[in-house]
Amino acid sequence: SAVISQKPSRDICQRGTSLTIQCQVDSQVTMMFWYRQQPGQSLTLIATANQGSEATYESGFVIDKFPISRPNLTFSTLTVSNMSPEDSSIYLCSVGEGRDTEAFFGQGTRLTVV
Amino acid sequence: AQSVTQLDSHVSVSEGTPVLLRCNYSSSYSPSLFWYVQHPNKGLQLLLKYTSAATLVKGINGFEAEFKKSETSFHLTKPSAHMSDAAEYFCVVSRYSSASKIIFGSGTRLSIRP
Repeated sequence: SAVISQKPSRDICQRGTSLTIQCQVDSQVTMMFWYRQQPGQSLTLIATANQGSEATYESGFVIDKFPISRPNLTFSTLTVSNMSPEDSSIYLCSVGEGRDTEAFFGQGTRLTVV
Repeated sequence: AQSVTQLDSHVSVSEGTPVLLRCNYSSSYSPSLFWYVQHPNKGLQLLLKYTSAATLVKGINGFEAEFKKSETSFHLTKPSAHMSDAAEYFCVVSRYSSASKIIFGSGTRLSIRP
């Protein structure tokens, strides 16, 4: 299993600003994933964070809006840039090591943009 | 492409009665399937997983699910609902890759009537 810590747990931000969310895992993992959960919605994958290479973004998400860092095998950050109220969501970090294994999730960061 | 469809956005049952949450999947290969639960303001927790072993999978808190390839279904059941089961439930399929990049269904909100 993996224990994932996310910071901050919640934040209220002004539109036009940026917020960086941190994800720390208690063990080394190959892949880390970032999800968005908009109010009342399911989870949508934003990107896969690979150590030593650029993140891979899903359709509808771009690096300029959601830059990701992955400096080592236990840590990643997601930045939500130039925020608007539509970015108000829960952002979750996840790790998993294989198709048949479960994914582990952080508690999420609840972001409100005003 | 892989996908999951949760057939009910909201299910309401009386305490002590059976629970059925329906999930159909689409996959071009033998999938890995999971059920996760999300309690209000809490993180995601794995209930159970199917990874091509036994088709009847038992999970935590008395939940189980049966993989039916002929029906492309993976419905979640519990014989007797408890008030603490009220939560959001997500059916999940694992996308084919070397890592566990997973796709979430739209979710089913389970309400329990006293």
